[in-house]
Amino acid sequence: GAGVSQSPSNKVTEKGKDVELRCDPISGHTALYWYRQSLGQGLEFLIYFQGNSAPDKSGLPSDRFSAERTGGSVSTLTIQRTQQEDSAVYLCASTSPRGGPSYEQYFGPGTRLTVT
Amino acid sequence: AQSVSQHNHHVILSEAASLELGCNYSYGGTVNLFWYVQYPGQHLQLLLKYFSGDPLVKGIKGFEAEFIKSKFSFNLRKPSVQWSDTAEYFCAVTPRGNYGQNFVFGPGTRLSVLP
Repeated sequence: GAGVSQSPSNKVTEKGKDVELRCDPISGHTALYWYRQSLGQGLEFLIYFQGNSAPDKSGLPSDRFSAERTGGSVSTLTIQRTQQEDSAVYLCASTSPRGGPSYEQYFGPGTRLTVT
Repeated sequence: AQSVSQHNHHVILSEAASLELGCNYSYGGTVNLFWYVQYPGQHLQLLLKYFSGDPLVKGIKGFEAEFIKSKFSFNLRKPSVQWSDTAEYFCAVTPRGNYGQNFVFGPGTRLSVLP
């Protein structure tokens, strides 16, 4: 498709379980971002990828959170041993290639994670 | 590191009223500035952006924003709001030339337009 896609759109999980969230960026976009948006809160930066490497992991809230990107395309955000405070909408965004004319971020629809 | 503040958490207006949403950033160098909008149930989308040149930029749906370098501000304006403008608005900043790193978003302003 033409836009950023994320799956699943909704995920309900029990406390303590692991979850995987997936992001498919726009084809050709080399930069990819993960954010978390809690109810009534702004966007909390989690991690940034340039290609397959993550030069900035400063936003990951704990070692239960990890992310990877393979082939410079799809990215997976994994949350281990989920806690109720992990409940949020997880957003993925990608930007046009390095050196391109625009650093506009294109956002996906998000994954709504509910930890019960 | 840069930061972004948005003056209002929630703004309530009647249709046809004028809108101004404040955005201030802190960063010592040159920046690219953005306003994003999130309509209810929809994903974030770009409203407008400033990279260089004319500090008054126009975006979609009649929105505009003015970059005032001396005030580190990038306020969003619309002369006459419509009910369909009800949404959450986010200001964002990134250092120029950083090749996509360090996007920082403000906390957002929720706009409610009463019919």
